[in-house]
Amino acid sequence: RKEVEQDPGPFNVPEGATVAFNCTYSNSASQSFFWYRQDCRKEPKLLMSVYSSGNEDGRFTAQLNRASQYISLLIRDSKLSDSATYLCVVNPRTGGFKTIFGAGTRLFVKA
Amino acid sequence: DVKVTQSSRYLVKRTGEKVFLECVQDMDHENMFWYRQDPGLGLRLIYFSYDVKMKEKGDIPEGYSVSREKKERFSLILESASTNQTSMYLCASSLSLAGGRETQYFGPGTRLLVL
Repeated sequence: RKEVEQDPGPFNVPEGATVAFNCTYSNSASQSFFWYRQDCRKEPKLLMSVYSSGNEDGRFTAQLNRASQYISLLIRDSKLSDSATYLCVVNPRTGGFKTIFGAGTRLFVKA
Repeated sequence: DVKVTQSSRYLVKRTGEKVFLECVQDMDHENMFWYRQDPGLGLRLIYFSYDVKMKEKGDIPEGYSVSREKKERFSLILESASTNQTSMYLCASSLSLAGGRETQYFGPGTRLLVL
C-alpha cells in the first residue's frame, strides 16, 4: 500500500461545478498535511495547509479526518484556471523532512 | 519571494556520463531536497540536507550522490547516468518549523534525458 494515495483522475468538470478530491494516508502518526498545485510542466506550489478543524481559502476548502486517515479538497465554482494537478502531501513525523507526496489528481475544467 | 533556481531546464546526456544538477535558493533555508517525478509515481525523494555538509538518503538514493558545501547550494550528481534515470528532477528548499509545517518551495525542474 502506498503511503499516500490519490485518485489519479482525470476529473473533467464544467466551469462553475463543485469538485472534491480525496486522499488517504497510511501512517496514523502523521503530523502535517497539505495540498499543492502543479500546473502542466511547472513546479508544485503550496495551495493550502490542512488543519484538524478544516480550513477554507476562498473557493477552496480542505478537511482532515484523522480517524479515517484521509484529507479532502473541495473546489467550488470551478474556473478554467483551476485546471491543474493537485498533490496531496503528508509529513509523517514532527519536524521531519521526509514529506510524502501523492501522485496527484488531474483536474480539467472546461468552458 | 522565495526563489529556487536550477542550472538547466533541459539536459540530454549519454549512458555512463557523469551528470551534475545544481540548485540554488536565496532565502537562507536550512533544508534542501532533491526529488524525481515520474508519471503515475509522483515525487520521490532522492536525498535531502538539513544543514551545510549534512545529507540524508531519501527513498531512492541508489545511483545518486549529493553535495552541500554552502547553505544556498545543493548539487545532485549522477555518477554514471543510466536510461532509467531519465526523469524530471525537482529541487526544493524549506525552513525548519515545529510540527513539520514547513512549506517546500520548488525550483522549475530539470528534464533529463539519458540516451
